[in-house]
Amino acid sequence: EVQLLESGEGLVQPGGSLRLSCAASGFTFSDYAMSWVRQAPGKGLDWVSTIINSGGSTYYADSVKGRFTISRDNSKNTLSLQMNSLRVEDTAVYYCAKGGTSGREKRRFDYWGQGGLVTVSS
Amino acid sequence: DIQMTQSPSSLSASVGDRVTITCRASQIISSYLNWYQQKLGKAPKLLIYDASTLQSGVPSRFSGSGSGTDFTLTITSLQPDDFATYYCQQSYSTPPTFGQGTKVEIK
Repeated sequence: EVQLLESGEGLVQPGGSLRLSCAASGFTFSDYAMSWVRQAPGKGLDWVSTIINSGGSTYYADSVKGRFTISRDNSKNTLSLQMNSLRVEDTAVYYCAKGGTSGREKRRFDYWGQGGLVTVSS
Repeated sequence: DIQMTQSPSSLSASVGDRVTITCRASQIISSYLNWYQQKLGKAPKLLIYDASTLQSGVPSRFSGSGSGTDFTLTITSLQPDDFATYYCQQSYSTPPTFGQGTKVEIK
């Protein structure tokens, strides 16, 4: 059974930093792209970032480029999102999501974690 | 970026009704269109991918159709478990983008 378990959520002041992690199990982690998708309170879904299976390529939404860094440790089946220079508008539930192996399947999210709430407020 | 527009934004329906949700892309995306269901306080769940392929374990009352720019999610005989918000998402290009959601409520 595929399981994705996020951790690292919390409250942070504007300009601060936070690191989210996602522990994966139930599939061969190193074969699949992984992504972060967020959802602001009461709003829709918003893609944040994707990393390919090897970690060799990463992609970011314009709204987080230069501030967030996605990474993965295939030896530990773990996905991470380092979030710096946080803004109030980054407040959201952050989901890690499993993608496909290659091509456009990378951008299809077939399993999601339970989500972790990041609140940016003074 | 490709914009995804869903309609309606919300609808009220009764158990047993046939429900149709539409999604339009701002440019041609072939069949790279996915549908998700999200219940309140829960993570989204993939229902249909590549416009018409049912994800494993999803009931057959869900179906999808379309290609190019216009797509449809149909729920035949709405069940109590189906009251949720539904999102379309294009996987044709980066950034992957979602529709604004359609909330299906109980009439």
